[in-house]
Amino acid sequence: GAGVSQSPSNKVTEKGKDVELRCDPISGHTALYWYRQSLGQGLEFLIYFQGNSAPDKSGLPSDRFSAERTGGSVSTLTIQRTQQEDSAVYLCASSIQRGGIDEQFFGPGTRLTVL
Amino acid sequence: AQSVAQPEDQVNVAEGNPLTVKCTYSVSGNPYLFWYVQYPNRGLQFLLKYITGDNLVKGSYGFEAEFNKSQTSFHLKKPSALVSDSALYFCAVRDITRDDKIIFGKGTRLHILP
Repeated sequence: GAGVSQSPSNKVTEKGKDVELRCDPISGHTALYWYRQSLGQGLEFLIYFQGNSAPDKSGLPSDRFSAERTGGSVSTLTIQRTQQEDSAVYLCASSIQRGGIDEQFFGPGTRLTVL
Repeated sequence: AQSVAQPEDQVNVAEGNPLTVKCTYSVSGNPYLFWYVQYPNRGLQFLLKYITGDNLVKGSYGFEAEFNKSQTSFHLKKPSALVSDSALYFCAVRDITRDDKIIFGKGTRLHILP
């Protein structure tokens, strides 16, 4: 596709359930980022994949959060045992990552609501 | 550790007036600096970036930003605001020396008053 896509666009779940959020980056982009956007909190970095390097997981808020990137392309963010404070918009972005000078292209996000 | 601050949660400007959205940063090495915009019900879009060279960077939609190393700032500016500029603006920094991830500020909501 022409841009970064994310699915689902909206997800409503019950507290305690697991959810998976998917990101399809732009073809050829080696860098992939996950962010969380909450009201009044701006953009919170979660995790960063760059090529075949070990991902930077320093932003994951707890061990309930995990992410993987298969084949250097599609990424899945998994939240286990969801809590109400996990409710937010989860954004994925990709970039070509030529020495870090390239801008990121963002997907439309997945709005997660935990009841 | 690198960080970026946007000291204003909200900025109100009358249409036709110049606008400034402030951003300051902290890195141990040399910064790459970015501005992104999020229009209502739309995804984040890249506006402009500073990598090296001229301190005044021009970007999309008539925006520009000035890199000031001594003040560690990268304020976003536009000479004449439009109502359509109303959006959420994010400043971001990457420490190229550390080959680190990009860090975003909390965002500034810009309201252009007709």
